[in-house]
Amino acid sequence: DSGVTQTPKHLITATGQRVTLRCSPRSGDLSVYWYQQSLDQGLQFLIQYYNGEERAKGNILERFSAQQFPDLHSELNLSSLELGDSALYFCASGSSGSYNEQFFGPGTRLTVL
Amino acid sequence: QQQVKQSPQSLIVQKGGISIINCAYENTAFDYFPWYQQFPGKGPALLIAIRPDVSEKKEGRFTISFNKSAKQFSLHIMDSQPGDSATYFCAARRGGADGLTFGKGTHLIIQP
Repeated sequence: DSGVTQTPKHLITATGQRVTLRCSPRSGDLSVYWYQQSLDQGLQFLIQYYNGEERAKGNILERFSAQQFPDLHSELNLSSLELGDSALYFCASGSSGSYNEQFFGPGTRLTVL
Repeated sequence: QQQVKQSPQSLIVQKGGISIINCAYENTAFDYFPWYQQFPGKGPALLIAIRPDVSEKKEGRFTISFNKSAKQFSLHIMDSQPGDSATYFCAARRGGADGLTFGKGTHLIIQP
């Protein structure tokens, strides 16, 4: 168990809809990273937040947005969903150790019908 | 442009054998190279990681070998066990806390 929690575990929705994925990092970690895992694209970095501020951006679509709240939990918002957005979405908690390791949560499986 | 190339895509090893997975990177700004293990339905779990200032790091049965001049690094799993059967991902990161760039993964099967 990495200590990172993600909800919900599964989400099924329709094209055009909007969903929110939630992540709580490990106790003491200030960074949250979001990743998307799909069969064709593999594991891709989307966005990083550190102590409430956006720190780095990866291959995140304009239809997607994220935020980190004062209690350090983070939410990833996906809107105008398309079939191709079906994927596993992982949150990773970033440690402040010497290697700044990233510890992944169990993921949310999103299915867009 | 794939910045981290991983091979092989799949690998079958006999129990007790050595499993070797290779990765090559292009961006010389990468300064942190972790390996992750992922079981079906689970999130990737950090196995071992290395920085370019060392050529080898060992933790139990897992060893990373790093060749900075060739821009390559590899994971060796000694005495491979059926419980090691999983998908393994190499990754690289630029800077202290940037996002990880992952390889495409290697599906490892250890035959008993």
